[in-house]
Amino acid sequence: QVQVVDSGGGVVQPGRSLRLSCAASGFTFSGHSMHWVRQAPGKGLEWVSVIWYDGSKKYYVDSVKGRFTISRDNSQNIMYLEMNNLRVEDTAVYYCARGYLGGMDAWGQGTTVIVSS
Amino acid sequence: DIVMTQSPDSLAVSLGERATINCKSSQTLLYSSSNQNYLAWYQQKPGQPPKLLLYWASTRASGVPDRFSGSGSGREFTLTISTLQAEDVAVYYCQQYYDTPYTFGQGTKLEIK
Repeated sequence: QVQVVDSGGGVVQPGRSLRLSCAASGFTFSGHSMHWVRQAPGKGLEWVSVIWYDGSKKYYVDSVKGRFTISRDNSQNIMYLEMNNLRVEDTAVYYCARGYLGGMDAWGQGTTVIVSS
Repeated sequence: DIVMTQSPDSLAVSLGERATINCKSSQTLLYSSSNQNYLAWYQQKPGQPPKLLLYWASTRASGVPDRFSGSGSGREFTLTISTLQAEDVAVYYCQQYYDTPYTFGQGTKLEIK
């Protein structure tokens, strides 16, 4: 069955880096765009980034531009989010999700990132 | 950026009754060349990831019960739950994918009255 599993979260100090991973299975990974969405504690959903099915296009929310980098390895069915210069306001549960006709139809369980000194 | 505004912020409805959630965008989500509205609706239950309910504003995702329906076009959209079930208690979000950043509404919390 379609499955995406996000991982890599943890507790880091402000200014440090972290890399999140999203492992996909049960579908043709190279045929879908992939997204990262985050949710700060007690808050709503915030879309973070998308990468096109072939990696040719990448888009980010303004608050992470220049600090976060999305990438994918279609040979390994895996997507990454490299997060540098982390800020306290980046604290959130980060979800990876499969793109489907514009929406997102398969979500990971989320991985928690806590940025704190 | 396209701003998505949902109303109300919270809603309490009796079991078996109709629930209606509204979503308004700061600009049109209707893509003229395809005549499609680039809007999705999600349901999120506590401790769970979101679940896609509807895309293209009114197309139900696989496995979504037909009591969930979507309507609207352009800048104003509605999610309707025709007969509320106990398992529908959740927070509901609209999201536009017309243009990046793909913004979400602030969410509407649905409870049982």
